[in-house]
Amino acid sequence: QKEVEQDPGPLSVPEGAIVSLNCTYSNSAFQYFMWYRQYSRKGPELLMYTYSSGNKEDGRFTAQVDKSSKYISLFIRDSQPSDSATYLCASSTGGFKTIFGAGTRLFVKA
Amino acid sequence: DAGVIQSPRHEVTEMGQEVTLRCKPISGHDYLFWYRQTMMRGLELLIYFNNNVPIDDSGMPEDRFSAKMPNASFSTLKIQPSEPRDSAVYFCASSPRDRGNSPLHFGNGTRLTVT
Repeated sequence: QKEVEQDPGPLSVPEGAIVSLNCTYSNSAFQYFMWYRQYSRKGPELLMYTYSSGNKEDGRFTAQVDKSSKYISLFIRDSQPSDSATYLCASSTGGFKTIFGAGTRLFVKA
Repeated sequence: DAGVIQSPRHEVTEMGQEVTLRCKPISGHDYLFWYRQTMMRGLELLIYFNNNVPIDDSGMPEDRFSAKMPNASFSTLKIQPSEPRDSAVYFCASSPRDRGNSPLHFGNGTRLTVT
């Protein structure tokens, strides 16, 4: 079993839809939870990070962590074609070993 | 800030040949990471350095893989001899020293194809 599991998709939605991306993890020691966005032929870039459980909002993006169920979510409101990318969830214990999920490919159709 | 710079962007080589991938981290970042990305296995950490010293190389798949960081502004990942199963996108990332949850700044990767 991988430490961070993520459905690879692809996920296709119409412009303006609310997108929900999800991951599960198995390591109870994980304290930091990140979402990276990766455009085609580019490296991943950090989108959001949260510490421990709770929600964090940044514009159209909301990251949510539920440590009791080991569940990580990213919500995108009013999705745009420019949001089309691969979204990778990631977790770490606080050290420098960041474990990534497989990534979910998202397509937002105009 | 030019970001993390990797070269070459693409590398096509024949099985058995030596391959060297290069990385220039962001100036002032004390941590450097090498990742490999494939469809099957996703993004995997191979090795990381702190202040030019290798800290954890447990992700290096075999002795055919080696990594060096001779100074704060340059690192190499070498595969010798290369095999078709090494075909992947190899990313270098750097991070500032402050804390373990500091974001990783990735380069745009080297796409390696071994025929």
